[in-house]
Amino acid sequence: QQPVQSPQAVILREGEDAVINCSSSKALYSVHWYRQKHGEAPVFLMILLKGGEQKGHEKISASFNEKKQQSSLYLTASQLSYSGTYFCGTLSSGSSNTGKLIFGQGTTLQVKP
Amino acid sequence: DGGITQSPKYLFRKEGQNVTLSCEQNLNHDAMYWYRQDPGQGLRLIYYSQIVNDFQKGDIAEGYSVSREKKESFPLTVTSAQKNPTAFYLCASRDLTTTYNSPLHFGNGTRLTVT
Repeated sequence: QQPVQSPQAVILREGEDAVINCSSSKALYSVHWYRQKHGEAPVFLMILLKGGEQKGHEKISASFNEKKQQSSLYLTASQLSYSGTYFCGTLSSGSSNTGKLIFGQGTTLQVKP
Repeated sequence: DGGITQSPKYLFRKEGQNVTLSCEQNLNHDAMYWYRQDPGQGLRLIYYSQIVNDFQKGDIAEGYSVSREKKESFPLTVTSAQKNPTAFYLCASRDLTTTYNSPLHFGNGTRLTVT
């Protein structure tokens, strides 16, 4: 079952913050976040493991609530370079030994000057 | 530099023809994956392989076939049975030797257009 991302699209001004959510109906082992620029390959951002940990990379951080089977990606003080489509990829507890990631439909983020 | 190479970047075919997309990796990863991307639908898993000479169907395997004769190579054939083959195809690999939580490494993709 594909995880559901919200919102589908976000438009920001430089310096504004955004939150992208990813929800699954399955028990999750981990959540991956990737960013894709148009016509390019997705680029890895971070992995969240079950346990509710929060990770960060510069001004981009994420959390994972395994009880709610949800993850959120936080982008603070957005920059023009943050524009792109963000995907969450989930690894369910039943598929942890296959490494088979299932991706959400993506959230398009546009940062304007 | 290690990475994943997909070729060609753009591919055009006539309806009814089979076409094979190449994917080669020099990362020494055991696992390889093929995803299909359509506008607004994210990435959908076609096939994956965790070991040479073995592969499993993903969520949308109908009309596709793969082989894994070498660790470095995982070609995808889009057959004439695939009803809507026009899409962006992404190959990825992953290191499963230490943990199942290592990231996916993607190739730059092949954009296939069938007319």
